[in-house]
This record gives sequence, structure tokens and C-alpha cells, in this order.
Amino acid sequence: AQRVTQPEKLLSVFKGAPVELKCNYSYSGSPELFWYVQYSRQRLQLLLRHISRESIKGFTADLNKGETSFHLKKPFAQEEDSAMYYCALSQEGGKLIFGQGTELSVKP
Amino acid sequence: EPEVTQTPSHQVTQMGQEVILRCVPISNHLYFYWYRQILGQKVEFLVSFYNNEISEKSEIFDDQFSVERPDGSNFTLKIRSTKLEDSAMYFCASSELLRGVYEQYFGPGTRLTVT
Repeated sequence: AQRVTQPEKLLSVFKGAPVELKCNYSYSGSPELFWYVQYSRQRLQLLLRHISRESIKGFTADLNKGETSFHLKKPFAQEEDSAMYYCALSQEGGKLIFGQGTELSVKP
Repeated sequence: EPEVTQTPSHQVTQMGQEVILRCVPISNHLYFYWYRQILGQKVEFLVSFYNNEISEKSEIFDDQFSVERPDGSNFTLKIRSTKLEDSAMYFCASSELLRGVYEQYFGPGTRLTVT
């Protein structure tokens, strides 16, 4: 069955520390993976898509097919990065399967 | 920048009543979706819609649910007879298909409370 797992419900770091939000997936085909971010009382926003291999707001994510992972990383966390982060897998037709989400808290 | 909009932001209804949640997708998008998130749980897919018909639906999307695109701009989710367990945030999303990838853009959500 297709599944996305984010093992950490909460990740708390200090400003300037590196951040890694973990995401593992289970999918029989060739996955399309995304990271969405939800700041306090705002909508889900697309942060990264694996296919474009870009860096947004200092975040990067690399698809590792061998480990079936798509971890989100940032070398130096900022307080404004505090938010809920959701990893999502897109199936044919666009249906998104979401992980449970990880709340990132960046302390000053 | 164009955004998906949803109304109302919060809807309170009594069990057994019908509710209609409204969404205005981004204007040049052709694919539309509804998701829901029960408090404390993950975001779950309900239904996708393309070319005026349902493309896919989850097991949550039973006969009590229906979707419609009544005109060129709105996309609605109707729940015919609400149950307490329908209380959740409902998110609408729309996308276009770019280079084989559906990039979905979400609305702010409607919080449905069934009493």
C-alpha cells in the first residue's frame, strides 16, 4: 500500500542549528514527492517538489530511492521556519497521500 | 499571485443537516480536489475532479458526499446528512498538469463543526 511516514511529530531546534525533517515513503511506481508547509493559521503551501531539485527558503530535499526517503534539510534554522511540515506523495491523477506532519519549533 | 479561495471559513451545523462547502480554484487550473483533516490527524484525500466528472474518490467519499462544478468558477462539496464524525477542516485544491506533475495549490480551508 502507498504510504508516507513522518516519524517525528515535533522537532525542536535552536536558531542557527541544522534541521532534518524525515520522510519515508512506500510506493510501487516512480514517486513524485512534495513538501508542503503550513505556517500558523495559514494555508498549506507548496515548499518543494523533488522533480525540480531546487532550494526554497534554504530548504532542500533529495529523493533517495534506495532508502525510500525524501528528507527535508536546512543547514541553519531560522525562527520564521517554525511551522507544520507535511511530506506528500502524488499518485497518478494527482491524488496526494500525506504524512502525519512534523511540527518544527525553532527557538531563539 | 492567484490563490484558491474557500467559503465559509467556519461552518457550524447540526447533525443530519446538509452543508455545502464552496471553493473557487485558480482560474486556469483544470484539476480539482477535496481533502479533509480531522483534528490531530493527517490530511486525507476525498475526491478528485476533472472534465466535469469525478476522477477518483476515497472510501471516505460515500453516498453522503457529492461534488459539483455548477459554473465556470465554483467547485462545491456537499454533505447530504452530516454526522458528528464529519467535523474536520476541509481543504480544496486545484492544479494544472505541468511536465507530467500535478502541483496542487490549497485553499485556506473550511472548518466544519457538526453538533
